[in-house]
Amino acid sequence: DSGVTQTPKHLITATGQRVTLRCSPRSGDLSVYWYQQSLDQGLQFLIQYYNGEERAKGNILERFSAQQFPDLHSELNLSSLELGDSALYFCASSPSGRGATDTQYFGPGTRLTVL
Amino acid sequence: AQTVTQSQPEMSVQEAETVTLSCTYDTSESDYYLFWYKQPPSRQMILVIRQEAYKQQNATENRFSVNFQKAAKSFSLKISDSQLGDAAMYFCAYRGYSSASKIIFGSGTRLSIRP
Repeated sequence: DSGVTQTPKHLITATGQRVTLRCSPRSGDLSVYWYQQSLDQGLQFLIQYYNGEERAKGNILERFSAQQFPDLHSELNLSSLELGDSALYFCASSPSGRGATDTQYFGPGTRLTVL
Repeated sequence: AQTVTQSQPEMSVQEAETVTLSCTYDTSESDYYLFWYKQPPSRQMILVIRQEAYKQQNATENRFSVNFQKAAKSFSLKISDSQLGDAAMYFCAYRGYSSASKIIFGSGTRLSIRP
């Protein structure tokens, strides 16, 4: 158990809908990352937040958005869903977001299925 | 842009034998970190081993060791005394020290263990 929690574990929805994925980082970690993994592929970095502020952006679609709240939990919002958005979405957290010893710990993931 | 390449989609090894998974990467940064992550059927991302680019000594964690060749930009993972529980997808990953803290993953190698 990494200490990072994600809810829900599974989500099934229809095209055109909107969903929210939630992540609670490890206690004391200030940085949260979101990754997308499609069909046994490597993880693609989406976005990083540090202490409530966006720090880095990857290949995140405009239909997707995220935020980090004062209690440091984060939400990833996916809207106008398409079949191709079906994937495993991982959240990771790390103490500071940079530096030599900053290791990212991954949550169990949320499996999103768009029908 | 940094890239990570795993040229072996699948590997198989006899239980108790040794197997080496290959990884190459491309970067113009001088300081960075390399990782091997394991993803078992549970889909949890588990950090196996980590190597700092400035360290010449290869990292070792119990039965797992790496062969880091900085000039060749190669980072292979050796698993000794393979066990059934080692069966998983293995992802090689890169994180720059000075750039944003996102991790760049390879496409993965599926390792199966023959009893």
